Amino acid sequence: NAGVTQTPKFRVLKTGQSMTLLCAQDMNHEYMYWYRQDPGMGLRLIHYSVGEGTTAKGEVPDGYNVSRLKKQNFLLGLESAAPSQTSVYFCASRTGTAYTGELFFGEGSRLTVL
Amino acid sequence: AQTVTQSQPEMSVQEAETVTLSCTYDTSESDYYLFWYKQPPSRQMILVIRQEAYKQQNATENRFSVNFQKAAKSFSLKISDSQLGDAAMYFCAYRSGGGGADGLTFGKGTHLIIQP
Repeated sequence: NAGVTQTPKFRVLKTGQSMTLLCAQDMNHEYMYWYRQDPGMGLRLIHYSVGEGTTAKGEVPDGYNVSRLKKQNFLLGLESAAPSQTSVYFCASRTGTAYTGELFFGEGSRLTVL
Repeated sequence: AQTVTQSQPEMSVQEAETVTLSCTYDTSESDYYLFWYKQPPSRQMILVIRQEAYKQQNATENRFSVNFQKAAKSFSLKISDSQLGDAAMYFCAYRSGGGGADGLTFGKGTHLIIQP
């Protein structure tokens, strides 16, 4: 039961470097999401996708790009990392058919930008 | 835009006692869903309980129950017979109803401490 898998789990970057976080889900879910979690701020939505080839902006999209080339994968990219992007990033997915809308989360990826 | 407010940054309770975590939300919609998620030190987000706004009956899952007051826009979580494993961050979350792809809007969380 893999569910939602994020890689890498930890990463340290220098300011200006780029990186990509990979999210993979094996539940055949239509919808996928990227959140960031900061102390005292809860989880905030960065981008989301309603299906292969589609993406949309969430609450805090600036400085991030995403792609969903395959239904099971959702990539989050940082082109030029900034210290303000130090955070824990969560990927989540859900089916598009269930009205209750429960999100299934990955284990999170801790990113530190120096 | 909807907002979710958790007014208690931290709560402490003795093991085996009952504790209630508060959550209020602001929305103009009539159809929506509410959730409580638990985040232990492992960081994993775990669904504790969900409530559909159209249901008047409060949801219950074993030791966890909610007090859903739709008119007051309040959604509190009651944990009975608290256990050490209940220690975690608890997040209240809102999602619009219908068939849209909206993600969840989260509150800032309540850190629950269980005293042995």
